[in-house]
Amino acid sequence: KAGVTQTPRYLIKTRGQQVTLSCSPISGHRSVSWYQQTPGQGLQFLFEYFSETQRNKGNFPGRFSGRQFSNSRSEMNVSTLELGDSALYLCASSPGTFGDTQYFGPGTRLTVL
Amino acid sequence: QKEVEQNSGPLSVPEGAIASLNCTYSDRGSQSFFWYRQYSGKSPELIMFIYSNGDKEDGRFTAQLNKASQYVSLLIRDSQPSDSATYLCAVNDGIQGAQKLVFGQGTRLTINP
Repeated sequence: KAGVTQTPRYLIKTRGQQVTLSCSPISGHRSVSWYQQTPGQGLQFLFEYFSETQRNKGNFPGRFSGRQFSNSRSEMNVSTLELGDSALYLCASSPGTFGDTQYFGPGTRLTVL
Repeated sequence: QKEVEQNSGPLSVPEGAIASLNCTYSDRGSQSFFWYRQYSGKSPELIMFIYSNGDKEDGRFTAQLNKASQYVSLLIRDSQPSDSATYLCAVNDGIQGAQKLVFGQGTRLTINP
């Protein structure tokens, strides 16, 4: 089985712009979770989608949003970028049952200038 | 918000020795626990998961869970230089089936040849 894929792998944006990141889960997995990783805050949960519905949300401002399509692919969007949004954005896929193992994609490295 | 605590290290272990990584968590009701390994510049890679009290072994790795003490550990036997990485402990904080991992800050492990 192919693993989790994320595109693009690297992005450079300027403050105020918006960005869309994409994640394709492992075939058959219905849950996609998004995480932000920074040196200072570590790995933090953004949100999770299951069957096109957001099931859980972390403590991030409304500038961070996401969606999931019927084929389980997911996108996350960050509007009005700030310097502090520079981070590694990871998506993780799982079958979708509580306690399931989550498998991470390679991540998208976002740099905001 | 559940909390997960890890000693950030660095932890230095000679090649061939046992590396012991520890993690404590705040919520006594937590049920599923994960250890991920992350090499510098890469995404987290699952090593083991554990749900029940006691030990779980997989090759050179043993996860230990003590729910009464709210403590989970990872032992790496016959440590190899390739085990040098940051090890992340995670607890599933999801409700009603949702997937939400809460991560510790990670322990940086160095295996010295």
